[in-house]
Amino acid sequence: KQEVTQIPAALSVPEGENLVLNCSFTDSAIYNLQWFRQDPGKGLTSLLLIQSSQREQTSGRLNASLDKSSGRSTLYIAASQPGDSATYLCAPKHPGNKLVFGAGTILRVKS
Amino acid sequence: NAGVTQTPKFQVLKTGQSMTLQCAQDMNHNSMYWYRQDPGMGLRLIYYSASEGTTDKGEVPNGYNVSRLNKREFSLRLESAAPSQTSVYFCASSEGGLGTGLWGSIYNSPLHFGNGTRLTVT
Repeated sequence: KQEVTQIPAALSVPEGENLVLNCSFTDSAIYNLQWFRQDPGKGLTSLLLIQSSQREQTSGRLNASLDKSSGRSTLYIAASQPGDSATYLCAPKHPGNKLVFGAGTILRVKS
Repeated sequence: NAGVTQTPKFQVLKTGQSMTLQCAQDMNHNSMYWYRQDPGMGLRLIYYSASEGTTDKGEVPNGYNVSRLNKREFSLRLESAAPSQTSVYFCASSEGGLGTGLWGSIYNSPLHFGNGTRLTVT
């Protein structure tokens, strides 16, 4: 059974810092891995999707990497802003069309 | 620009009552999903539908039923609510699905989520 772990569970940084969120998964037989953000009381917003054949994906200040063989992904956020404050979740996708979610990293960016 | 719409936003039920959570998407997506989110447990898949007319169990299907009414709508029914079903329920959709042709498109399209239904069972 796939297990997904996200470290750290919570993170508080001053505005402007670069930061890295980590995601590890036990089963490397995945099709892709998706990173989401969730604002309080809201649904999930897709940030980046990395296919299993890719090493990284970039969108604006966000860069996600994937090392499928070691079961790891990182989400790098450059020049963090208070608007980046949210919960960030990673979810590898399995055969059978199923995503398995980590518990998330709660990020707070202080102004 | 609605995306995925869930109703209701909030609901309180008594043990044993039944209700249906509604979900509709306007993106012409093939696949639709129901998840529940509980503190400390992340999101867990209840049921999904890879195309109109098909449904499959996810990780935690017990106590739930689903109906893929048409391509747009996917409902989740609780026949006899229990306190253990107190949770936030999310519907999601993705473009890929059965019969879309390319293997990659079935499994490599991102999920789009609704804003959730917060359900309390007393």
